[in-house]
Amino acid sequence: DTGVSQDPRHKITKRGQNVTFRCDPISEHNRLYWYRQTLGQGPEFLTYFQNEAQLEKSRLLSDRFSAERPKGSFSTLEIQRTEQGDSAMYLCASSPTRLAGGQETQYFGPGTRLLVL
Amino acid sequence: AQRVTQPEKLLSVFKGAPVELKCNYSYSGSPELFWYVQYSRQRLQLLLRHISRESIKGFTADLNKGETSFHLKKPFAQEEDSAMYYCALKAGGETSGSRLTFGEGTQLTVNP
Repeated sequence: DTGVSQDPRHKITKRGQNVTFRCDPISEHNRLYWYRQTLGQGPEFLTYFQNEAQLEKSRLLSDRFSAERPKGSFSTLEIQRTEQGDSAMYLCASSPTRLAGGQETQYFGPGTRLLVL
Repeated sequence: AQRVTQPEKLLSVFKGAPVELKCNYSYSGSPELFWYVQYSRQRLQLLLRHISRESIKGFTADLNKGETSFHLKKPFAQEEDSAMYYCALKAGGETSGSRLTFGEGTQLTVNP
């Protein structure tokens, strides 16, 4: 499967615990995005990387959230001291760098569903 | 700030009937608009984008800058079109952030 993959697909944790999610983008895709989706809402942007550089972070990304993409390939999203409000689907997407005048399509992974008890 | 509004959370039509999913946006610059679709138990996938001016699975969408709309249309709905549809906006220009701003989605049900 050459699509975006995410691990784990489901995570149940207790409030206050730390969790880490992994995203493997499509090979050779330079850009990688994280979104969060709560019930009844569309995905909300969290952050994005171009190669290993984190170029943009949403205000939604509080100090308890940190994302890395150390070698410009896979990425991890860590949530420290989880709260019940962190329960959501966490989506990863990747895209190639858009060429001048070209188009950029973001390809989404299946998501990691987090439940904080 | 950019914003996408999909006024209908639920839309139900009969097979063979025309369908229109509404999308309005607010953005001061030149946006790129997309429609994404999520079928049951599948991941979010791109349906179409305004730049391409293409028709995918019989769906079309025209960007109306005057009305700041990007409605999705299909003349004859099929049962397999039942899915959640999201309209999304990306700020135009390479120097702009690449984030997508999504609407809340419209759940389309096509009844037999």
